[in-house]
Amino acid sequence: GAVVSQHPSRVICKSGTSVKIECRSLDFQATTMFWYRQFPKKSLMLMATSNEGSKATYEQGVEKDKFLINHASLTLSTLTVTSAHPEDSSFYICSGRWGAPYGYTFGSGTRLTVV
Amino acid sequence: TQLLEQSPQFLSIQEGENLTVYCNSSSVFSSLQWYRQEPGEGPVLLVTVVTGGEVKKLKRLTFQFGDARKDSSLHITAAQPGDTGLYLCAGGADNQGGKLIFGQGTELSVKP
Repeated sequence: GAVVSQHPSRVICKSGTSVKIECRSLDFQATTMFWYRQFPKKSLMLMATSNEGSKATYEQGVEKDKFLINHASLTLSTLTVTSAHPEDSSFYICSGRWGAPYGYTFGSGTRLTVV
Repeated sequence: TQLLEQSPQFLSIQEGENLTVYCNSSSVFSSLQWYRQEPGEGPVLLVTVVTGGEVKKLKRLTFQFGDARKDSSLHITAAQPGDTGLYLCAGGADNQGGKLIFGQGTELSVKP
């Protein structure tokens, strides 16, 4: 149980375009979803916390207007990278909280390459 | 800001050797989780420890949570090539709104 489905797994886009990444909780209601960015062979860096029905909370240094997060339902959270540039290329991972206080499950990640 | 210092960050060993990965903090965590991640995949939970002094075993993996709940270790006995991957510790604290604080990760390579 407690599965998060993340799509797409890989995406290549042109510089200046926007890309949307979706995370769906398949068998639980994710009132909270976390979005991370990961560089090669590095740890996960928390970008933002999204709560269903309210605005996302962004970590210090993360541009809200560039990384738009929407959590309109209990089973879907999306991250849109707007006006993407090559430096936005990275591995993005979502995590749903299925049970307090210790229940977290991660999506399989999205490899974004901006050319 | 709570931090988790994970060490070593890189480890390359031969099959059959033992190893230990450490996560240390000056802060108290209500729980400590260990994950393993393969390239191009999301992290997969190995274990959650919540009680100070707790020891959990998962086959050849032994996890320990410090008495003061500020540190944790992962010990692998007789490592195998299949253990290769990125190991991550992550701490949860009651005052963090559900956020997990991740260590820097340990890239483990086990050579046959």
